[in-house]
Amino acid sequence: EIVLTQSPGTLSLSPGERATLSCRASQSVIGSYLAWYQQKPGQAPRLLIYGASSKAAGIPDRFSGSGSGTDFTLTISRVEPGDFAVYYCQQYGSSPNTFGQGTKLEIK
Amino acid sequence: EVQLVQSGAEVKKPGESLKISCKGSGFSFSSYWIGWVRQMPGKGLEWMGIIYHGDSDIRYSPSFQGQVTISVDKSISTAYLQWNSLKASDTAMYYCARQGELGWYFDLWGRGTLITVSS
Repeated sequence: EIVLTQSPGTLSLSPGERATLSCRASQSVIGSYLAWYQQKPGQAPRLLIYGASSKAAGIPDRFSGSGSGTDFTLTISRVEPGDFAVYYCQQYGSSPNTFGQGTKLEIK
Repeated sequence: EVQLVQSGAEVKKPGESLKISCKGSGFSFSSYWIGWVRQMPGKGLEWMGIIYHGDSDIRYSPSFQGQVTISVDKSISTAYLQWNSLKASDTAMYYCARQGELGWYFDLWGRGTLITVSS
């Protein structure tokens, strides 16, 4: 089973700042089959990125994903107030699919 | 509207059985894999398993194999998650979600079903 480790656990930023979230896999993620989700309190997760760098429908341009192999990054170019949430990565290249433990993006 | 509608919250006692549902609408349900994800209180997401409605192919995470049963009724576009004997540790929010067009990421989520198991 591939273990995904997200860092940092909590990221404290002010609106307008750049956010860089990391997801490291215990072994190479086949096909760069890595997705990112955003979850706000009391809500279901929302897909942001799939295939490491492809944006899901309706996701703003300030969100971008990159990486391959074992190291992946979600970047929010300028954080907006509605972006403060928990972010999860998921690998879906190997069975069982697995999620990272999450990074909480909080207001500084 | 394209959506997954999950059954309502449940409060059960340890040892009881339970089956929760996830009904798809607005898309060709039998063409997609539907997965289940657990979120324990205050914790992260856990991938439980996934079922293909076309031929009922099922894949379980080893962590959940034998603990739950995933099934589908294609005639009513509904997936199910079932327990034969609940434990207090099954207390969690359970989400169903639809696989994406290009892989087993989840592009459409239900709102979740909260299961509380307490004596």
